[in-house]
Amino acid sequence: AQSVTQLDSHVSVSEGTPVLLRCNYSSSYSPSLFWYVQHPNKGLQLLLKYTSAATLVKGINGFEAEFKKSETSFHLTKPSAHMSDAAEYFCVEGAGNMLTFGGGTRLMVKP
Amino acid sequence: GAVVSQHPSWVICKSGTSVKIECRSLDFQATTMFWYRQFPKQSLMLMATSNEGSKATYEQGVEKDKFLINHASLTLSTLTVTSAHPEDSSFYICSAKGQGAYEQYFGPGTRLTVT
Repeated sequence: AQSVTQLDSHVSVSEGTPVLLRCNYSSSYSPSLFWYVQHPNKGLQLLLKYTSAATLVKGINGFEAEFKKSETSFHLTKPSAHMSDAAEYFCVEGAGNMLTFGGGTRLMVKP
Repeated sequence: GAVVSQHPSWVICKSGTSVKIECRSLDFQATTMFWYRQFPKQSLMLMATSNEGSKATYEQGVEKDKFLINHASLTLSTLTVTSAHPEDSSFYICSAKGQGAYEQYFGPGTRLTVT
């Protein structure tokens, strides 16, 4: 069975500093991986996706993620955090119609 | 592109009544739609998967007679919570996927409160 582990349940950064949200997946084959963001009482918005093309994936709002097969990781980064980035982030693995969600990381951005 | 809407965004109903939630893909044809439930501070739990024109496939532990799903067209799926009870109170989120697509696009969610 697939599993996705988000290594930090909470991450706190200051505005203007880099963001790193960590994610490890378990699949032994080449997975489809996604990062979604959820603001309070809202649905999930797709930030970026990896589907076996370039290993460095650029997404919306300045986010990017790097697929590292040797480390089974797909960490999400952003060079400079903005207050509006405060939200819940989900790392998700897809296989056909099935999505496996990580537990989520709450990003807090301090002024 | 790839916008999914849900209606209503929030609903309060009395125990024992039924409530219907609509999920629409606004700018693409959704061959497959999904219904999730999310409890506070938790991740999403898949309830069921539906393909247009077919019966929904429910996840283990989800009562199909309580959570009625209809995927009548390529742009509309509905979830009806029948004989609602306070424990059905939750945030319900739908998502939609186009033919051959990898990603699912999520609706904004519906907050259901059963009193």
